[in-house]
Amino acid sequence: DIVMTQSPDSLAVSLGERAAFNCKSSQSVLSSSNNKNYLAWFRQKPGQPPKMLIYWASTRESGVPDRFSGSGSGTDFTLTISSLQAEDVAVYYCQQYYTHPLTFGGGTKVEIK
Amino acid sequence: QVQLAESGGGVVQPGRSLRLSCAASGFTFINYGMHWFRQAPGKGLEWVAVISYDGYSAYYADSVQGRFTISRDNYKNTLYLEMSSLRTEDTAVYYCAKGYWSDPMSFLVDIWGQGTMVTVSS
Repeated sequence: DIVMTQSPDSLAVSLGERAAFNCKSSQSVLSSSNNKNYLAWFRQKPGQPPKMLIYWASTRESGVPDRFSGSGSGTDFTLTISSLQAEDVAVYYCQQYYTHPLTFGGGTKVEIK
Repeated sequence: QVQLAESGGGVVQPGRSLRLSCAASGFTFINYGMHWFRQAPGKGLEWVAVISYDGYSAYYADSVQGRFTISRDNYKNTLYLEMSSLRTEDTAVYYCAKGYWSDPMSFLVDIWGQGTMVTVSS
């Protein structure tokens, strides 16, 4: 199984400031056939189901604000929120969809400082 | 709009069975692979199973292999999860989710239902 590891476990950032957190996979999720990274980011607000923000490691889903950006390749990835808003308080999960079993990182909890 | 509505959760004793349903609307159900995920109280997300658009292929997490069965009824636009030999560690909110692409079995998902709680306890 591909193990996904996120860091830090939690992060407190002031409103309007930048938040960045990481995700590392135990093996590459970069496909040699299409040169795409099979890595997605989800946001889960309290009491709600997850919402997909980013796929192919850096492609924003339709309707997702452009303050969210994803980067990285192979085994190391980052999600950046350029200017934290109050509604961004949530737990963020990375997930690989390169192969089954699909696996998630443990999550990064983002709070307001 | 795309909607997924899970039902069938509840409290069940260890060793017993339970069937969850997921009613889909707002999209052409038969075109998409579908997934079940779960989230234990206060814990992270865990993938459970996926089924192809036509119902002929499925994959399972090792933790549920041989105990859970995913199926679908494309006439009723409904996804199912038959759970047997339930254990206390199966206690979780169970979510169904839609494959992102209209291919036989998209491993990327986009829309999730609100979830249904399953509690396994004596």
